[in-house]
Amino acid sequence: DQQVKQNSPSLSVQEGRISILNCDYTNSMFDYFLWYKKYPAEGPTFLISISSIKDKNEDGRFTVFLNKSAKHLSLHIVPSQPGDSAVYFCAASSGSARQLTFGSGTQLTVLP
Amino acid sequence: AAGVIQSPRHLIKEKRETATLKCYPIPRHDTVYWYQQGPGQDPQFLISFYEKMQSDKGSIPDRFSAQQFSDYHSELNMSSLELGDSALYFCASSSGRGRETQYFGPGTRLLVL
Repeated sequence: DQQVKQNSPSLSVQEGRISILNCDYTNSMFDYFLWYKKYPAEGPTFLISISSIKDKNEDGRFTVFLNKSAKHLSLHIVPSQPGDSAVYFCAASSGSARQLTFGSGTQLTVLP
Repeated sequence: AAGVIQSPRHLIKEKRETATLKCYPIPRHDTVYWYQQGPGQDPQFLISFYEKMQSDKGSIPDRFSAQQFSDYHSELNMSSLELGDSALYFCASSSGRGRETQYFGPGTRLLVL
């Protein structure tokens, strides 16, 4: 049972445009959400996070939106750059146990 | 800035052998998490430690054990290795068990032949 789902395995966008990566979750106990970027042969790199008490968090080119009623979050990258090409994982945690539950990832390709 | 260090980066073992993976957290981080990522799969939580005590347990096989030492580094011991144990093993560290971001190491790629 996949509690965190990333339904798009891949996404291609033009350089300078907006990239929107989506994530859905089923466990209503999740209260903290994170996005990680991963290059081949490297560990996941933290990008941005959001607590369930917020609906938006912004850090430079990255903005995460949380819609709790829909159990949906999205990561917006504006403007997209070729160096952003990587696999993006959505992750969630709940309660005092901080282990992360990951989605299956979305391969983002930013075309020059 | 110092990152999470994992060793070895690559490991090849045969079935029924044992393996030990090491993780050195970011300085002043007291919490360590272990994750396993099989081929084409998302990372799965195995086990975590806070202040040298096991804090949470995930889908870790009984053949595996782990501990966190006084210097906060952690070791994942894997015995009676099976072909299905071939995976990327990530360690992450954070400061405290609260809502703190986990920072990941580069991973150890284990291949069981």
